[in-house]
Amino acid sequence: DTAVSQTPKYLVTQMGNDKSIKCEQNLGHDTMYWYKQDSKKFLKIMFSYNNKELIINETVPNRFSPKSPDKAHLNLHINSLELGDSAVYFCASSPFGQYSTDTQYFGPGTRLTVL
Amino acid sequence: GESVGLHLPTLSVQEGDNSIINCAYSNSASDYFIWYKQESGKGPQFIIDIRSNMDKRQGQRVTVLLNKTVKHLSLQIAATQPGDSAVYFCAERGGTSYGKLTFGQGTILTVHP
Repeated sequence: DTAVSQTPKYLVTQMGNDKSIKCEQNLGHDTMYWYKQDSKKFLKIMFSYNNKELIINETVPNRFSPKSPDKAHLNLHINSLELGDSAVYFCASSPFGQYSTDTQYFGPGTRLTVL
Repeated sequence: GESVGLHLPTLSVQEGDNSIINCAYSNSASDYFIWYKQESGKGPQFIIDIRSNMDKRQGQRVTVLLNKTVKHLSLQIAATQPGDSAVYFCAERGGTSYGKLTFGQGTILTVHP
């Protein structure tokens, strides 16, 4: 059973296109996250949702729009893709999130390549 | 050996040796720290965590040490195995942040049979 799953695993697209990445967790967690990992393996948080509510919104271009239809899903939509968006995007979830020291569990990642 | 700058720090060990991976963190208000292991093509996987009111925590073959005075965290892996080869990240949670983890640079561990 996959705890945190993402689709697609690989995404190759042209500059200027719009694309979405989907994430689902079957752990019953309240909080979900999106991270970006660049070519130097640096991991940085982008967004966090707790029970469908946006909690963390780092300095990310507004071409990136997360959507949480329910607490088990957090999708990431990217408009007008740019070369610099090429990276691996990880979804994660944690049981509670707020003020608690709970572990974040990561999905397998989506490798986005913008040509 | 080690290399820094544009490249991740690396640590090469022989199978059966003990490994020590170090991490310096920046926020003195951080109250929670985690070590993650990331194998090639996979997401980060939780290894062990420690709260700021502790200075040592042990798991199976792994030990995390926390020195708040110098803001230093280390991960010790006993009897390192080839399956331990991966990139290791430390992450800290700031005391007032809402679940936000700040990740360190990562260290590549290579275990030679």
